[in-house]
Amino acid sequence: AQSVTQLGSHVSVSEGALVLLRCNYSSSVPPYLFWYVQYPNKGLQLLLKYTSAATLVKGINGFEAEFKKSETSFHLTKPSAHMSDAAEYFCAVITNAGGTSYGKLTFGQGTILTVHP
Amino acid sequence: NAGVMQNPRHLVRRRGQEARLRCSPMKGHSHVYWYRQLPEEGLKFMVYLQKENIIDESGMPKERFSAEFPKEGPSILRIQQVVRGDSAAYFCASSALPATDTSSYNSPLHFGNGTRLTVT
Repeated sequence: AQSVTQLGSHVSVSEGALVLLRCNYSSSVPPYLFWYVQYPNKGLQLLLKYTSAATLVKGINGFEAEFKKSETSFHLTKPSAHMSDAAEYFCAVITNAGGTSYGKLTFGQGTILTVHP
Repeated sequence: NAGVMQNPRHLVRRRGQEARLRCSPMKGHSHVYWYRQLPEEGLKFMVYLQKENIIDESGMPKERFSAEFPKEGPSILRIQQVVRGDSAAYFCASSALPATDTSSYNSPLHFGNGTRLTVT
């Protein structure tokens, strides 16, 4: 079964600093991986996705993630944090359950990003 | 171009009452997923429905919970005899493509803003 683990439930950075949110996956098949962002009292918004094309994936709002098979990782980065990036971020993998429900996602626990001036 | 609409946004129920959560998918989407987010946890899959069919309910609790997606109208997640442990945010997501279509990976789920259920 596929799963994801997000290291660090809270990450705090200064405005303008590098953002690094960690995600490791476990999958017996090539994974399809996603990063979502959730602002307070809102639904999830897709930031970017990896679907076995380029290993470096660029998303919205200046975020990117690199798929590293050797490390089973899909860490999310942004060179320079902005105050508006403060939110909760979820890594997710598509769960392949015996050929059905490809659209079923398994989410990590989430990482709350705080950006301070 | 309305997104996924969920209502109500907030729902308060006393223990033992019923909760009904509604989800209208994006226009043209006929595949609906329900997820639950317990406090300080990630989202957990509950059920996947197509119009008039439950495709995968492996994440649904065995008792008190049911879901439907009728031919006409929104999808409904129904919780009977609510308990305090049901307090959570419930998110609906929709997709235009069936879950078994691998090209759906390139257009994954569109989420609503959720219904926050509080059981007192």
